[in-house]
Amino acid sequence: QVQLQESGPGLVKPSGTLSLTCAVSGGSISSNNWWSWVRQPPGKGLEWIGEIHHSGSTNYNLFLKSRVTISVDKSKNQFSLKLSSVTAADTAVYYCARVVSNWQEYYFDYWGQGTLVTVSS
Amino acid sequence: QSALTQPRSVSGSPGQSVTISCTGTSSDVGGYNYVSWYQHHPGKAPKLMIYDVNKRPSGVPDRFSGSKSGNTASLTISGLQAEDEADYYCCSYAGTYTVFGGGTKLTVL
Repeated sequence: QVQLQESGPGLVKPSGTLSLTCAVSGGSISSNNWWSWVRQPPGKGLEWIGEIHHSGSTNYNLFLKSRVTISVDKSKNQFSLKLSSVTAADTAVYYCARVVSNWQEYYFDYWGQGTLVTVSS
Repeated sequence: QSALTQPRSVSGSPGQSVTISCTGTSSDVGGYNYVSWYQHHPGKAPKLMIYDVNKRPSGVPDRFSGSKSGNTASLTISGLQAEDEADYYCCSYAGTYTVFGGGTKLTVL
């Protein structure tokens, strides 16, 4: 059973950089899957942030692209999110998820429990 | 990359059926058969209920079904049960990006 666990600071100052890591267990990050970050601001819906393949290929939300970097560390079986120049609007529960993506299908099959990140001074 | 459009809320009594719509564009919902649906209870991880428009993962009751017509996808839940009360999100692949719906709160009366 694949499990994902987010970790990182729960509080980030405005204009700072939000950094989160997602540890993958029960499966290899080098499998033929993509790995994604999704967030949910308080009282709002889910928002796709972006995704990465173990090869290093990435896709990002166009509205966040200039501030987002997703990277993968195969040696630690984990992937990470960095979001720069944060504001209060970036306050959200951040989820990491595994993506099944090939020519026949696309969906998120495993999710982390989520971690709340608050942007405040 | 605008969010897919879902009704903010739907409701039904136990045993009844409800349908949640998800409207996008020809660039996302209408362009690919990669619509998925997620059940989300507050404080928990989202759960995959339907993928690739109408496929059900192992363990998801057959009361849940999905369909698509043009730029609109739908999730139907038949034989409503109290445990179905949750937020539901649709999601569509769109080539170089992925987009979610705004979410629908299902209330079981």
